[in-house]
Amino acid sequence: DAGVIQSPRHEVTEMGQEVTLRCKPISGHNSLFWYRQTMMRGLELLIYFNNNVPIDDSGMPEDRFSAKMPNASFSTLKIQPSEPRDSAVYFCASSDLTPLPVRSYEQYFGPGTRLTVT
Amino acid sequence: GNSVTQMEGPVTLSEEAFLTINCTYTATGYPSLFWYVQYPGEGLQLLLKATKADDKGSNKGFEATYRKETTSFHLEKGSVQVSDSAVYFCALRMNSGGYQKVTFGTGTKLQVIP
Repeated sequence: DAGVIQSPRHEVTEMGQEVTLRCKPISGHNSLFWYRQTMMRGLELLIYFNNNVPIDDSGMPEDRFSAKMPNASFSTLKIQPSEPRDSAVYFCASSDLTPLPVRSYEQYFGPGTRLTVT
Repeated sequence: GNSVTQMEGPVTLSEEAFLTINCTYTATGYPSLFWYVQYPGEGLQLLLKATKADDKGSNKGFEATYRKETTSFHLEKGSVQVSDSAVYFCALRMNSGGYQKVTFGTGTKLQVIP
């Protein structure tokens, strides 16, 4: 398997522009996570999907952020409008959270998208 | 709520030195515990795990033992290499509201110098 795929790997945009980050989870995984990593706040969980349904979006910073998972093989994280403080590395991770039989529930991370908002 | 506390870095060691990175946790119930490693420019990858008290996780010369009495899961390696330079994250997983929630620590940067 190719692992979790994220695109783009790097994104530089101007304040006020819309940014869309994309993620393809590992085939067969039923859960998907979006994280944000910064020096100041470390690794933060933004939103978590299970079977394409958002389960916990309490980490989404504000209404400028939105995430969708239209099918099991694709998710997007959108920021509109973007601000300089959104500059960070955004990671997507996927996992198989099927409860039975017992799984490791290991999260597999993508390589991340480095976003710079000027 | 659940939380993970790691020692602050960076930790700088000479090659072949002994490594300990401390991790303690707070959780209601019996979590599973993990160490993830992040190499420069990459995402996190699972290094080792332990799912119940007294379990020892091990991989690539790294070890960590699940200590319920001290709520700890310290990472150790007997002889570090330059290639071990990375950021290490301690994490716990608990069932929360019917689903598995993972809580990460803030990460500890390790620098190994030749």
